[in-house]
Amino acid sequence: GAGVSQSPRYKVAKRGQDVALRCDPISGHVSLFWYQQALGQGPEFLTYFQNEAQLDKSGLPSDRFFAERPEGSVSTLKIQRTQQEDSAVYLCASTIQGGSYNEQFFGPGTRLTVL
Amino acid sequence: AQKITQTQPGMFVQEKEAVTLDCTYDTSDPSYGLFWYKQPSSGEMIFLIYQGSYDQQNATEGRYSLNFQKARKSANLVISASQLGDSAMYFCAMRGFSGAGSYQLTFGKGTKLSVIP
Repeated sequence: GAGVSQSPRYKVAKRGQDVALRCDPISGHVSLFWYQQALGQGPEFLTYFQNEAQLDKSGLPSDRFFAERPEGSVSTLKIQRTQQEDSAVYLCASTIQGGSYNEQFFGPGTRLTVL
Repeated sequence: AQKITQTQPGMFVQEKEAVTLDCTYDTSDPSYGLFWYKQPSSGEMIFLIYQGSYDQQNATEGRYSLNFQKARKSANLVISASQLGDSAMYFCAMRGFSGAGSYQLTFGKGTKLSVIP
């Protein structure tokens, strides 16, 4: 079956541009997570959705970062007025449900480079 | 708050030998889960193995086993009979199960494993 997909796989933006990163979770997966992975580091949590509700956005680094999942399936992470420190791989993960043990299935990531 | 520490930035192992990747953790949650993920150079995160804090036995999945020592707060990954395809970054991660809120994973900085032919 299809896994988590993300697009674009690579994005180059000039400083100050807005970008939108898309995540298609596995069909039927209730929970969706966004992580940011800087070069040479482990992923760090950004935000979490259960269906269409954004239950936790404590990891978003600034108000330039915004995420949505309006219909409880596809999610978009938007970064406004990009800065060089936003350069990272953005990973999306989904699980069947939020509670107890559930393996998080990760997408291939979007590598964002801000010039 | 949760914290994962992986103290080995890089490790080398001879093909067909076993290797242990270290992971220590810190959490105030009485109930939690520990995960290991593999990240090849292609970038995707591949789930390897899971250990629950109340599991009585150490988890095993094929060539992977988790050496869980709760009192020492360690969850080391053991890979037996290393293969060239095991060369990758390995991340230890955890999540808490108590309290309200989200269920995100907290990751360590990773260990780069290189398997030598």
